[in-house]
Amino acid sequence: GESVGLHLPTLSVQEGDNSIINCAYSNSASDYFIWYKQESGKGPQFIIDIRSNMDKRQGQRVTVLLNKTVKHLSLQIAATQPGDSAVYFCAENISGYSTLTFGKGTMLLVSP
Amino acid sequence: NAGVTQTPKFQVLKTGQSMTLQCAQDMNHEYMSWYRQDPGMGLRLIHYSVGAGITDQGEVPNGYNVSRSTTEDFPLRLLSAAPSQTSVYFCASSYQGDEKLFFGSGTQLSVL
Repeated sequence: GESVGLHLPTLSVQEGDNSIINCAYSNSASDYFIWYKQESGKGPQFIIDIRSNMDKRQGQRVTVLLNKTVKHLSLQIAATQPGDSAVYFCAENISGYSTLTFGKGTMLLVSP
Repeated sequence: NAGVTQTPKFQVLKTGQSMTLQCAQDMNHEYMSWYRQDPGMGLRLIHYSVGAGITDQGEVPNGYNVSRSTTEDFPLRLLSAAPSQTSVYFCASSYQGDEKLFFGSGTQLSVL
C-alpha cells in the first residue's frame, strides 16, 4: 500500500481563511518531505520542503510542519486565495536518489 | 530557459500500437524520471535515470522502456500499448542529490 497518504480528499474553504492539508507517512526512514501544488492540466509545482531534522519550515504564506513522533506532515496556507485552488500532494524520499513517493493528493477548493 | 518539455501533450493510440513520449530538459540536470498519474491516485514512478547511460526501474516499469543517451533527453517508449496504460505521464528532473523535482506539463495518453 501507499506509504504516504492523506486524511482528506477534498477541502473547501472561504477566501481569506487559513487552510491545513494533512499527510501521514509510514516509513520512519524517510528523511525528506516535499509539497507540490498541481493545477488542472498542469504538472506539479514545488511549494515547500522540509528535512527530518526540522519540525517547521516557513515560506511565503505557507508553512510545513513535521511531527516525526506520529509520522505526520501538514501544509498550512495562510489567507487562502482563489488562486490556491488546486490538488496538493505530499511526497517523501527515502533512497536519496530523488525518487519521491507521492501521496494520493487533496483537492483544495477556495470560494470567493 | 524552457525547463522540462514534454511532447506530445495529447495522444490516442490503439491497443498494440507503439509510441515514444519525449522529454527534454535544458537545466543540465543529471537525474530524470517518468511518473504516471491515474485518477484518485498519486504519481507513481515508472523509470528513472541518474545520468547518461544509466537507467533503473521504478514502482511500475512493466510495459515501458527507457534510454538515456544524452543528459538532456529521456524518452519513454511503449512497445505495445494496452488500455491499462491510459494515464497522464509526467517527466521530471533534478540535480543529482537534490530531491526537489521539476516537472513537465504532462502527456495525456488514451489507449483504446
